[in-house]
Amino acid sequence: DQQVKQNSPSLSVQEGRISILNCDYTNSMFDYFLWYKKYPAEGPTFLISISSIKDKNEDGRFTVFLNKSAKHLSLHIVPSQPGDSAVYFCASIDSNYQLIWGAGTKLIIKP
Amino acid sequence: KAGVTQTPRYLIKTRGQQVTLSCSPISGHRSVSWYQQTPGQGLQFLFEYFSETQRNKGNFPGRFSGRQFSNSRSEMNVSTLELGDSALYLCASSLAQGGNQPQHFGDGTRLSIL
Repeated sequence: DQQVKQNSPSLSVQEGRISILNCDYTNSMFDYFLWYKKYPAEGPTFLISISSIKDKNEDGRFTVFLNKSAKHLSLHIVPSQPGDSAVYFCASIDSNYQLIWGAGTKLIIKP
Repeated sequence: KAGVTQTPRYLIKTRGQQVTLSCSPISGHRSVSWYQQTPGQGLQFLFEYFSETQRNKGNFPGRFSGRQFSNSRSEMNVSTLELGDSALYLCASSLAQGGNQPQHFGDGTRLSIL
């Protein structure tokens, strides 16, 4: 049973528009969340994180929103650029301090 | 600063063989974690090593094992390989134990089982 779910395997967005990547989790004890970006043939790279004491964290074009009551977080990228085309993974920390990963969403930015 | 280095990048084995994968963390990083990535499954946690000791372990069979050396380099071994072991194996390092900080990933070893 997946504890971190990314229900959209892929997402296609026009360049310059906003990309919104979603992630749901099942364990209400999760209190720290991270987003990673992965290009083909490379390892994931850390993008942005958020602690459960916040509901928003912003870093340049990237903003992560956390809705604890809904056990939902989202990553907003605005404006979307061609270099943003990649697979995005959502991850959370469990009680053993292990990272629990979602299956990833492939983002395609159309020119 | 050199990143996380994994060798080899690609490997082809047959069922029943064993394989050893290597990971050199970023200098100064003492924690090394291993993950398996298969299509549609995301990243599955294998184990984490810190100061030469396995600190956390995921839900993988005993055929998957690892170790960490005094210089923080880590190896992962898979014995009696099965077709389902075909995957990208990623290693990640961080300064300290636990997932509550960003991990730096290597580019992975692509293992194919024939």
